[in-house]
Amino acid sequence: KAGVTQTPRYLIKTRGQQVTLSCSPISGHRSVSWYQQTPGQGLQFLFEYFSETQRNKGNFPGRFSGRQFSNSRSEMNVSTLELGDSALYLCASSFQTGGANYGYTFGSGTRLTVV
Amino acid sequence: SQQGEEDPQALSIQEGENATMNCSYKTSINNLQWYRQNSGRGLVHLILIRSNEREKHSGRLRVTLDTSKKSSSLLITASRAADTASYFCATDGGGADGLTFGKGTHLIIQP
Repeated sequence: KAGVTQTPRYLIKTRGQQVTLSCSPISGHRSVSWYQQTPGQGLQFLFEYFSETQRNKGNFPGRFSGRQFSNSRSEMNVSTLELGDSALYLCASSFQTGGANYGYTFGSGTRLTVV
Repeated sequence: SQQGEEDPQALSIQEGENATMNCSYKTSINNLQWYRQNSGRGLVHLILIRSNEREKHSGRLRVTLDTSKKSSSLLITASRAADTASYFCATDGGGADGLTFGKGTHLIIQP
């Protein structure tokens, strides 16, 4: 079956602009979560969506937002980009039942560079 | 914020040798997972061990979990050049907080 698809793979934006990243989960997976990876902070949880509802958000400013559609595809948006937002953004989908998580499948990520 | 630390931060061994990486964490967990990442690409799920399990095997991988010490180890036996990658442990608290990752161990297998 197809894996998790993230688009675009690479993105270069200017400070102050906004950006939208897309993630298509594995078919049948209703949970999608987003992570930011930087050399300094490592991998950090951004937010998780399940059935179109944001279940939780990590310690990130309000400039970071997301949503999930009825087909489980998810988008994350970063407004007013800062240089420090340069990172690899990873999306993961998971199959959850009864509150149990059976492991995440990650996409290849979107490499965002803010100049 | 990071849940814990992997040890060592970097490890270089000869092909065919065994590689052991350790992970410590701070809070109670539902399960602990190990991931591999090649050259800043996506994470590949290796193995998941639940909090009530002590040891798990998958091919050349062996994972142990000691919840009393809040630590886990990943053993890769008979290493291959293709095992060169960064390895991360990640804890799942069972809620909606996602995974909490360590900083990773960079493993280099010398041919």
